[in-house]
Amino acid sequence: QKEVEQNSGPLSVPEGAIASLNCTYSDRGSQSFFWYRQYSGKSPELIMFIYSNGDKEDGRFTAQLNKASQYVSLLIRDSQPSDSATYLCAVNPPNAGKSTFGDGTTLTVKP
Amino acid sequence: DTAVSQTPKYLVTQMGNDKSIKCEQNLGHDTMYWYKQDSKKFLKIMFSYNNKELIINETVPNRFSPKSPDKAHLNLHINSLELGDSAVYFCASSQDRDTEQYFGPGTRLTVT
Repeated sequence: QKEVEQNSGPLSVPEGAIASLNCTYSDRGSQSFFWYRQYSGKSPELIMFIYSNGDKEDGRFTAQLNKASQYVSLLIRDSQPSDSATYLCAVNPPNAGKSTFGDGTTLTVKP
Repeated sequence: DTAVSQTPKYLVTQMGNDKSIKCEQNLGHDTMYWYKQDSKKFLKIMFSYNNKELIINETVPNRFSPKSPDKAHLNLHINSLELGDSAVYFCASSQDRDTEQYFGPGTRLTVT
């Protein structure tokens, strides 16, 4: 089992729809969770981080964390073509001193 | 102001050569990282330094040697380059070992 697994893409949604990106992790003791966006040919950039169970909203983005089920998700409301990118889930296992990245989910938002 | 910078942006070289990539961050962060992203876009950590001390070395061939002269700089030297070293190398930094990371623009290394 991979340490961090993301739903295999690619994911395609129409403009204005809600895009849902999911991520599961294997180490139950993990405390820090991050979503990064990577445009083609660019470097990853942080979108959101979440540490506590529940939802965290920032504009059109909502991160959801459920530690009991060991999953973290990212919802993008009112998806725009500019949201088309690869989304990377990152999890910090306890005492590891690093982030473990998922393989990414490529999202395409069609006008 | 660029937060995390890398040089060079592109590097094309022949097998067997030795090359270096430099990274600098002006965020005042304590921790810096080197990642390799291959053609399948998988992002894998190679090394991590915290306050100039090596804390993570992820099963990387000895041909790769990182060096951190100070907290703001982390360089990567690669000896005897091989075809399989072709990838994009990202430098990143974070305030500490458990916080969000900020990535440099990447160095695209092509070994011919």
